[in-house]
Amino acid sequence: DAKTTQPPSMDCAEGRAANLPCNHSTISGNEYVYWYRQIHSQGPQYIIHGLKNNETNEMASLIITEDRKSSTLILPHATLRDTAVYYCIVRVASGYALNFGKGTSLLVTP
Amino acid sequence: GAVVSQHPSRVICKSGTSVKIECRSLDFQATTMFWYRQFPKQSLMLMATSNEGSKATYEQGVEKDKFLINHASLTLSTLTVTSAHPEDSSFYICSAQAGGYTGELFFGEGSRLTVL
Repeated sequence: DAKTTQPPSMDCAEGRAANLPCNHSTISGNEYVYWYRQIHSQGPQYIIHGLKNNETNEMASLIITEDRKSSTLILPHATLRDTAVYYCIVRVASGYALNFGKGTSLLVTP
Repeated sequence: GAVVSQHPSRVICKSGTSVKIECRSLDFQATTMFWYRQFPKQSLMLMATSNEGSKATYEQGVEKDKFLINHASLTLSTLTVTSAHPEDSSFYICSAQAGGYTGELFFGEGSRLTVL
């Protein structure tokens, strides 16, 4: 699977949009971009995934660049409960494990 | 999303004993489950891939005789840490594949093992 690069940490004020970047310049055509988050001492939580089109669900939006070499996860109105480590992962298809990098530690402040 | 449940959430045991951790997919069938381990302030590390009805596939460096994995049904996989030692103390997390070509992986709540 292609590797990803994320900033180690980010801060965001409560109520503001949190934009978390991810570089995956070696992504191949059949790899999807997945985002998960892990709140302290809990299992990872699925957020969103996409192939090449932008995606939106009740939790977040995923913006993937046209060349697919990078993406941004957007939490439109961050709350204190969004404080977590966010992982951007690329993966070929179902049946394969997710390989976690170091992720971005997002701190949402009052 | 789909629900994956792990039990126990916390376990403390004496060195030399064996501990079993269960992972259940509650509302879907999972032909494939994955087991991860996470040490403090580190990321999740894949230990093994578990396929229903067949032997698990272990990642390099993971002792298969120490970490026994059984995936006897489509909704249950178990991880047994045999002859546990203090260095096995960690956060163990399972995940299960929920159907579909781009099926998301859903994770259990994790099991924190402390070996005294």
